[in-house]
Amino acid sequence: AQKVTQAQTEISVVEKEDVTLDCVYETRDTTYYLFWYKQPPSGELVFLIRRNSFDEQNEISGRYSWNFQKSTSSFNFTITASQVVDSAVYFCALSDIKGGNQFYFGTGTSLTVIP
Amino acid sequence: NAGVTQTPKFQVLKTGQSMTLQCAQDMNHEYMSWYRQDPGMGLRLIHYSVGAGITDQGEVPNGYNVSRSTTEDFPLRLLSAAPSQTSVYFCASSYRGGAEADTQYFGPGTRLTVL
Repeated sequence: AQKVTQAQTEISVVEKEDVTLDCVYETRDTTYYLFWYKQPPSGELVFLIRRNSFDEQNEISGRYSWNFQKSTSSFNFTITASQVVDSAVYFCALSDIKGGNQFYFGTGTSLTVIP
Repeated sequence: NAGVTQTPKFQVLKTGQSMTLQCAQDMNHEYMSWYRQDPGMGLRLIHYSVGAGITDQGEVPNGYNVSRSTTEDFPLRLLSAAPSQTSVYFCASSYRGGAEADTQYFGPGTRLTVL
């Protein structure tokens, strides 16, 4: 069965610190997608990244970077030089592309960046 | 492009009442889904649709009905509201294929309280 675990429930960092959010997933599928979404205090869900299971290249987008390791079934998210605007709940998700794009979400990590 | 829209934004119901949460998208996405978000549990799939006329159950379908008569609309019906259905409801849509395949875009959410 598909499962996503975000073991860090809450994290607090001081502005300009780097922070890594962990995501571990379980699936028997060989083809799947992994995602990160941001949910700021306003409540909407903002898409950040999609990663194909066949592409293990790390990705960097500005202050954000993602480390995908199939060997450990992990898809970790790092924010460099954190800012107050990064304060949000971050969700990792796994998609079951055989079953009509069902998403399996982790329980989220609440990040607070202290000025 | 309005993206994914949901109405209403807030709703208070009494136990036993019924109502319909509306969801519409203007991106010509094949896939549409409904999720509920509860504290500490992430987002859980209620129902989903892979195209007009086709729907299926997700992880937590009990007490909810859906239909999909057009590509654009995917309403969620609460048949007889219960306090356990107090939650934030998100609608999402995605393409079936192509470069953005399976990336779900979410509506702003409906906050429902059942008294």
